[in-house]
Amino acid sequence: DAGVIQSPRHEVTEMGQEVTLRCKPISGHDYLFWYRQTMMRGLELLIYFNNNVPIDDSGMPEDRFSAKMPNASFSTLKIQPSEPRDSAVYFCASLPLAAEAFFGQGTRLTVV
Amino acid sequence: GENVEQHPSTLSVQEGDSAVIKCTYSDSASNYFPWYKQELGKRPQLIIDIRSNVGEKKDQRIAVTLNKTAKHFSLHITETQPEDSAVYFCAHDGGTSYGKLTFGQGTILTVHP
Repeated sequence: DAGVIQSPRHEVTEMGQEVTLRCKPISGHDYLFWYRQTMMRGLELLIYFNNNVPIDDSGMPEDRFSAKMPNASFSTLKIQPSEPRDSAVYFCASLPLAAEAFFGQGTRLTVV
Repeated sequence: GENVEQHPSTLSVQEGDSAVIKCTYSDSASNYFPWYKQELGKRPQLIIDIRSNVGEKKDQRIAVTLNKTAKHFSLHITETQPEDSAVYFCAHDGGTSYGKLTFGQGTILTVHP
């Protein structure tokens, strides 16, 4: 297994544009998590899914952020419209029940 | 109840010395306490974890201790090497028994040759 795969690795976009981040979890993992990492706030949990169903989105900063998991092998995190303060590294992580979380390589988002 | 305090924020040691990083949490329901290592520009990777039914776990030069009564746990690295230089994060699960982890703010460890 290639591990958790995220795309793109880097994204530079202009303020106001829509940004879509993608994640392919490890096959068989029941849980998928989206984290955001910044120097100021560290690693923050944004939302997580269990068996493709969103369980807790209380970490999503505002309505501009949305996430979907249409099937067990794919999830997206969308920001519309993007703002400079959204610049961060976004990580996706997956895990089976009661085991370690495996992180993807992350997407470095820069909004100018 | 989910916060976790991690100290120190930076730690500088000489090669061969020991390094200790401590975390304090507030949620008494927490059962799972992993430590992640993140090298510059890379993903966080699990290096060791401990569950609430044990007080200590060791893996070669790395050990973790847990005091559930006092609600703190620590990472110990012995015989440090320059390749141990990275950011280390503690985390806990808040009693969820799966990966809904709350992370500490991280410790930047620098090991000088």
